[in-house]
Amino acid sequence: DAGVIQSPRHEVTEMGQEVTLRCKPISGHNSLFWYRQTMMRGLELLIYFNNNVPIDDSGMPEDRFSAKMPNASFSTLKIQPSEPRDSAVYFCASSLGLDEKLFFGSGTQLSVL
Amino acid sequence: AQSVTQLGSHVSVSEGALVLLRCNYSSSVPPYLFWYVQYPNQGLQLLLKYTSAATLVKGINGFEAEFKKSETSFHLTKPSAHMRDAAEYFCAVSEAGGGNKLTFGTGTQLKVEL
Repeated sequence: DAGVIQSPRHEVTEMGQEVTLRCKPISGHNSLFWYRQTMMRGLELLIYFNNNVPIDDSGMPEDRFSAKMPNASFSTLKIQPSEPRDSAVYFCASSLGLDEKLFFGSGTQLSVL
Repeated sequence: AQSVTQLGSHVSVSEGALVLLRCNYSSSVPPYLFWYVQYPNQGLQLLLKYTSAATLVKGINGFEAEFKKSETSFHLTKPSAHMRDAAEYFCAVSEAGGGNKLTFGTGTQLKVEL
């Protein structure tokens, strides 16, 4: 079991650029979550999907942020345009169901200059 | 709305000593409570979870936590610290039935000294 796979591990970009973060959940898991970790705000839930359908995106900070899950094995989180305050570690996590054990990926460290 | 408060952003213990990491919760409905551990440059890993069954919950790596409704607390303990326990620990809460829609505390960095 490869676990939740996120790419890239590190991303450095300039303000105004589009950033796409990718996530491959554990095979067979039906629920996928995107969390963001910053020093100032700690860990925050951005959005989560169940059976590829977005259930709650109330944590998405602005319209600049969007997330998709085109199939059960892939999700993206896009920021367009990016800003320095978006710098954070973005975690993807998956679970068999909404109440089942949550498995986190290793995260993407995003730096927006 | 629900929240958790972790008292002490940094805790230092000697190897072999008791580990006590504090977490208090606020929830208007019966909560589910969690402890996660994060090692450097890694994602979070579930240590244990309380879902209104037994109030004393045993987790991995020798950790346990006790749900105390009267104190609105869910403190994490381990009788004897090991060097490998050095990590950041997060308490989290969700509403019963809220699944993995978690609200996290600010974390406690545990340092284990020889």
